[in-house]
Amino acid sequence: AQTVTQSQPEMSVQEAETVTLSCTYDTSESDYYLFWYKQPPSRQMILVIRQEAYKQQNATENRFSVNFQKAAKSFSLKISDSQLGDAAMYFCAYRSVLSNFGNEKLTFGTGTRLTIIP
Amino acid sequence: DGGITQSPKYLFRKEGQNVTLSCEQNLNHDAMYWYRQDPGQGLRLIYYSQIVNDFQKGDIAEGYSVSREKKESFPLTVTSAQKNPTAFYLCATRRGQGTTYEQYFGPGTRLTVT
Repeated sequence: AQTVTQSQPEMSVQEAETVTLSCTYDTSESDYYLFWYKQPPSRQMILVIRQEAYKQQNATENRFSVNFQKAAKSFSLKISDSQLGDAAMYFCAYRSVLSNFGNEKLTFGTGTRLTIIP
Repeated sequence: DGGITQSPKYLFRKEGQNVTLSCEQNLNHDAMYWYRQDPGQGLRLIYYSQIVNDFQKGDIAEGYSVSREKKESFPLTVTSAQKNPTAFYLCATRRGQGTTYEQYFGPGTRLTVT
């Protein structure tokens, strides 16, 4: 079974600075998807960024980018120019490529609470 | 507006009572999911459904039941057999059978059982 580990329960960053959130995972599969979701105080889960394991290029979405190290099974999220609206819980999640029964689920880490300091 | 609706936002029940959480979507997505979120833990999958009239157990299905009679609706019943029902429940959907499609989440329902 796959596992996802987020070792930083809490992080803080000064507004306009850059912060990196860590995520490691364990899997025996060679192809899979990785996601970062944001959960603000409203508790709505919002997709931030997605990475396909077969792609070597790191995904980027505006101020959000990932550092995907497949051999190390590491998937960190970098937030540049941090804004007050970035304050939230951030969850790393894994999904198998296989879509048959039993592989539909997202496996989540325990989350990192990010605080933005004005 | 297209989206996922979960109602109510807060739900209170007495111990021993069954309660049904609503999840409705007008995104025309095929797959629907129920997750449970507890403090200090990530989301855990309860049940999912890829098509109407079919659903599969997730990791923590004991004490829960679901139905999928319509594409738009995937209600979750928390039965009295669920030992620790107080939690935040999130419904999600995914478009089609393509493996690239990500899951989209509803706003959630906070269930408190006393």
